[in-house]
Amino acid sequence: DAKTTQPNSMESNEEEPVHLPCNHSTISGTDYIHWYRQLPSQGPEYVIHGLTSNVNNRMASLAIAEDRKSSTLILHRATLRDAAVYYCILRDAQETSGSRLTFGEGTQLTVNP
Amino acid sequence: DAGITQSPRHKVTETGTPVTLRCHQTENHRYMYWYRQDPGHGLRLIHYSYGVKDTDKGEVSDGYSVSRSKTEDFLLTLESATSSQTSVYFCAISSFSEQYFGPGTRLTVT
Repeated sequence: DAKTTQPNSMESNEEEPVHLPCNHSTISGTDYIHWYRQLPSQGPEYVIHGLTSNVNNRMASLAIAEDRKSSTLILHRATLRDAAVYYCILRDAQETSGSRLTFGEGTQLTVNP
Repeated sequence: DAGITQSPRHKVTETGTPVTLRCHQTENHRYMYWYRQDPGHGLRLIHYSYGVKDTDKGEVSDGYSVSRSKTEDFLLTLESATSSQTSVYFCAISSFSEQYFGPGTRLTVT
C-alpha cells in the first residue's frame, strides 16, 4: 500500500485557517486521496476525498499538487470543535473489496481559543 | 449520521473467555469492516466483509473470526481473549467510497 507522511501535531488559533499537509510520493495513478478525522472518544469521520482536482465541501477543501505527490487539507476557519486527529489515507480505486483503508498515525490538531 | 450501532459499548472479560462484538447497520451497505485502535495509534483493519457470508482477513486478523449471516449484522469473535486484545474496536460500513464508523466498543481483557 502506498504510504502517507503527516506531521505528528499542529496548532492553530480559533477562526483562523488551517493547512494540514500530507506527503504521498509513491502514490499511483489509481489512488484516491482521502481525509478522515477523529474527535476525542469517537470513531473516525469522513472529511473529503479527491483524485486530481481540488475539491470543496461543507467541511473543508482539498488541494492536490499537480504531480499528486502531496496534498493539503484546508479548514477555512478553525473552531474548537475541529480539534481532532486528521488522517490522510490513499485508497486504490481498483480495490475490489470496497474501500479498505490503511490508517497511519495522523496529525493531532490543537485549536487554541 | 449513518445508522450504525455497536454492542456492547464497554466490556471487561477475563483471559481465555470467548467474546463476541456486534455491529448493526440500517443503511443496507454492502461492505462492513472491523478495526482495532490501541492508545495513541491509528486504526488497524482486522477483518472485512463484502457481502453476506463473504469475508476476508485484514492486517491483524490472528485471534479473531467474523461472521455475516445478514446484510445488517457483522459479528467479531475473539475465540479466547488475551490481554493483547485489550483495545477499542470500531466497526465501519461503506457502499464503496467513504466509510462511516460506529461509536466503538471498549474491550478490556484482564
